[in-house]
Amino acid sequence: DIQMTQSPSSLSASVGDRVTITCRANQGIGNYLAWYQQKPGKAPKSLIFDATNLQSGVPSKFSGSGSGTAFTLTISSLQPEDFATYYCQQYSNYPITFGQGTRLEIK
Amino acid sequence: QEQLVQSGAEVKKPGASVKVSCKASGYPLTTYYIHWLRHAPGQGLEWMGVINPSGGATVHAPEFQGRMTMTRDTSTSTVYMELSSLRSADTAVYYCARAPTVVRIESYFDSWGQGTLVTVSS
Repeated sequence: DIQMTQSPSSLSASVGDRVTITCRANQGIGNYLAWYQQKPGKAPKSLIFDATNLQSGVPSKFSGSGSGTAFTLTISSLQPEDFATYYCQQYSNYPITFGQGTRLEIK
Repeated sequence: QEQLVQSGAEVKKPGASVKVSCKASGYPLTTYYIHWLRHAPGQGLEWMGVINPSGGATVHAPEFQGRMTMTRDTSTSTVYMELSSLRSADTAVYYCARAPTVVRIESYFDSWGQGTLVTVSS
């Protein structure tokens, strides 16, 4: 199985900040990488697919980059509704696997 | 509005089975694959398997092979996931999710059900 490692596991930031979350795969996955946002008690919400493509309806403050084994999710101008847990997911190989999550908290 | 709506929470005893439903609305069920995932307390998201609602073919993650059954009823636009021989480690929120492709089983998910909490406890 492909192992996905996110860093940091938690992050404190202030409203208005710009933050970056990193996701690394233990083998190359091309651009088959997605990012999700999950709030407590809710289902994950798709943000980014194919590493860099913004899901329809997602604000442009979210952006993704990377290919191969290293990827980043950047969120600019943090607002209160952005504080949540973020997951990366690879869909290059069976079985599909996820990172362990990055919890973004208000400082 | 395209959405997936899941059945309600379940409490089961160890060794029992649970069947969770996922009803698609706002689009033809047979258009896209439906995947099943779960999120156990304190754990990460775990992919369980996928069903092609058009023909009914399924692919399971290795750890669920032989213990999980995915089926569909196209007349009601509903897919089902049944997990047997339940143990406490199966306590989790179970999700169905739509993959916006039928080209390959590995995909991201553009729409999720609201989740179904399954609690396994004696």
